[in-house]
Amino acid sequence: QQQVKQSPQSLIVQKGGISIINCAYENTAFDYFPWYQQFPGKGPALLIAIRPDVSEKKEGRFTISFNKSAKQFSLHIMDSQPGDSATYFCAAPTSGTYKYIFGTGTRLKVLA
Amino acid sequence: GAGVSQSPSNKVTEKGKDVELRCDPISGHTALYWYRQSLGQGLEFLIYFQGNSAPDKSGLPSDRFSAERTGGSVSTLTIQRTQQEDSAVYLCASSAIPGQGDNYEQYFGPGTRLTVT
Repeated sequence: QQQVKQSPQSLIVQKGGISIINCAYENTAFDYFPWYQQFPGKGPALLIAIRPDVSEKKEGRFTISFNKSAKQFSLHIMDSQPGDSATYFCAAPTSGTYKYIFGTGTRLKVLA
Repeated sequence: GAGVSQSPSNKVTEKGKDVELRCDPISGHTALYWYRQSLGQGLEFLIYFQGNSAPDKSGLPSDRFSAERTGGSVSTLTIQRTQQEDSAVYLCASSAIPGQGDNYEQYFGPGTRLTVT
């Protein structure tokens, strides 16, 4: 069964530091890779996504880096803030039905 | 516009009872997904609807679980004879017609927290 491997499982970063979360995927039907952010008690919300016709996409403090040949992509959070403390999920599309396989999540805590 | 809504937000039920969880997707979204999220865990895919049909129900954990969608809109996830291991947050998501612009995004509802005692 197709998998998306996400690491680390948890991450603690000082305020102002850089948070890096990595994901590796298997074969996909189409190229669109989103990251979701989930706060406790809430559903996941789309944070940023990339189409791999580019190797990097930046939105504010959030950047996705994509390595198509290695089938890896990562989320970088620059100048991490306590408000960024949440669980982050990467996702990769599977074949056929536009269904995503989600990573297992990274629980990020940014210390004030 | 309105996002994905789910009801109830919380449900406590006794072991062996049946429960129904409801999802109202974003208007016009043809694709609808159900996921299960156990405490501190990732998102476990349950079932996918395109319109009223379910081309992928591979994630339903047992025949106690079923789902339907009517009118290409509202969906109901039913769990019969609930067990304690069914306790989790059940999330619904919807997305627009794939292949048309940036519409691969899945928009999630807030979830229904199910507790089976």
